[in-house]
Amino acid sequence: IAGITQAPTSQILAAGRRMTLRCTQDMRHNAMYWYRQDLGLGLRLIHYSNTAGTTGKGEVPDGYSVSRANTDDFPLTLASAVPSQTSVYFCASSDSSGGANEQFFGPGTRLTVL
Amino acid sequence: GQNIDQPTEMTATEGAIVQINCTYQTSGFNGLFWYQQHAGEAPTFLSYNVLDGLEEKGRFSSFLSRSKGYSYLLLKELQMKDSASYLCAALDSNYQLIWGAGTKLIIKP
Repeated sequence: IAGITQAPTSQILAAGRRMTLRCTQDMRHNAMYWYRQDLGLGLRLIHYSNTAGTTGKGEVPDGYSVSRANTDDFPLTLASAVPSQTSVYFCASSDSSGGANEQFFGPGTRLTVL
Repeated sequence: GQNIDQPTEMTATEGAIVQINCTYQTSGFNGLFWYQQHAGEAPTFLSYNVLDGLEEKGRFSSFLSRSKGYSYLLLKELQMKDSASYLCAALDSNYQLIWGAGTKLIIKP
C-alpha cells in the first residue's frame, strides 16, 4: 500500500441497509478525516480523528459513525442508508490535526442509495 | 457563519494566465489552502499561505491578504492538463478546514 486507499470504489445500496466504507493509510499519520462531496457544494466534514482511539463530529455527522481502533484504519459506517447519503466520500489523513499540515486524500467511494 | 466564496467556472486559453479568486469568512484563521481536483479524482495539495503576500511555486502562485479575507491562485502558461477544479479552503480557529465549492477551470486550445 502506498498512501491512502478506500474500498469499495463504488457501491449501489438499497435504502435501509447498513454499509461500511473502508479507509486505510500507511503514512503513520495521526489525523484522519471523512468528507462527502456533492455537486455544487464544498467538501463537508463528516467525522474526524486526531489520533488513534479518539473521534470527533464534523459538520454533517448525522447518520454516520466512525471508529479508530488503530493508526492505519478509519472506517465510516452508515447504520441505515437513506437516499440523501448518495454522494462521493473521501477519506483523508494528515500528519497532525493542529497546524497547517496538508491533507492527503484517498481515491474516493461513489455511493448511490436507492 | 463561516463561508468561502469562489467563482463556479472559468474559461481560459492554453498558454495564457488565469487568476482564480477566493474570499473567506471564518471563525479565526490559521491559513489558506489551494487544492487541485481533476474530474473523478481526489483533491491534491497545491499551496498553503498563512502570511500576507505571494508564494510562487513553478507555474502556480498563491496570494493572501488576511486583512481583506482574500486569496487568489495564479496559473501561468496554461496547459490542457490544468483543466480541473480548484478548491479554496480556510483553516479556522479549531484547525478545521472550511472548503469552498470549487472553481471549474476549462482550458481551450
